[in-house]
Amino acid sequence: QLQVQESGPGLVKPSETLSLTCTVSGGSISSGGYYWAWLRLPPGKGPEWLVSIHLTGRDYYNPSLKSRLSISMDTSKNQFSLRLSSVTVADTAVYYCARPLAGRDFFDYWGQGAQVTVSS
Amino acid sequence: AIQLTQSPSSLSASVGDRVTITCRASEGIGSALAWYQQKPGKPPNLVIYDVSSLHSGVPSRFSGSGSGTDFTLTISSLQPEDFATYYCQQFNSYLTFGGGTKVELK
Repeated sequence: QLQVQESGPGLVKPSETLSLTCTVSGGSISSGGYYWAWLRLPPGKGPEWLVSIHLTGRDYYNPSLKSRLSISMDTSKNQFSLRLSSVTVADTAVYYCARPLAGRDFFDYWGQGAQVTVSS
Repeated sequence: AIQLTQSPSSLSASVGDRVTITCRASEGIGSALAWYQQKPGKPPNLVIYDVSSLHSGVPSRFSGSGSGTDFTLTISSLQPEDFATYYCQQFNSYLTFGGGTKVELK
């Protein structure tokens, strides 16, 4: 059974960079041709898709956040990572990594989520 | 970006009730719509995709319909485990979600 799990600091200061890692178990991040993704759920709002990455390195970003986002993949560790720069309190959210249904753009595997709070 | 507006934002219902949630897109998205259920402290769970296709393991009391800009999620007979927040998601142009509909016990 595939599992994905987020990890990283739960508290980030304003203007700093948020970094999170997603570890995949029960399957290889290199197989299946999936676009692995990061999403977040801000308090009181709906989910927001952030970015997706393919094994080939092809990625695509939420246009509203593209200038602050980067994503990378480490197949040797079966992980992919997110960096969000210049954070503000508006970036406070539960961050999820997820995998879509094969070849599609909706998600059937999600991590449990990582609460990230931006505060000084 | 395509915006999705869900209504109502919350509703109160009883076990056995028929519940309908609406999702309206700011422009046409064809059939590129999915629905998720989320319970407190848990990640979203995929319920329906491609407007009306039931995800594996989802009870048949859930159904979806619509096309273009207007879509609905219907629960034919609400069960205790269905009390949750529901989100729609479009995947026609990038990926965006609605603001959610919280289904509460009356």
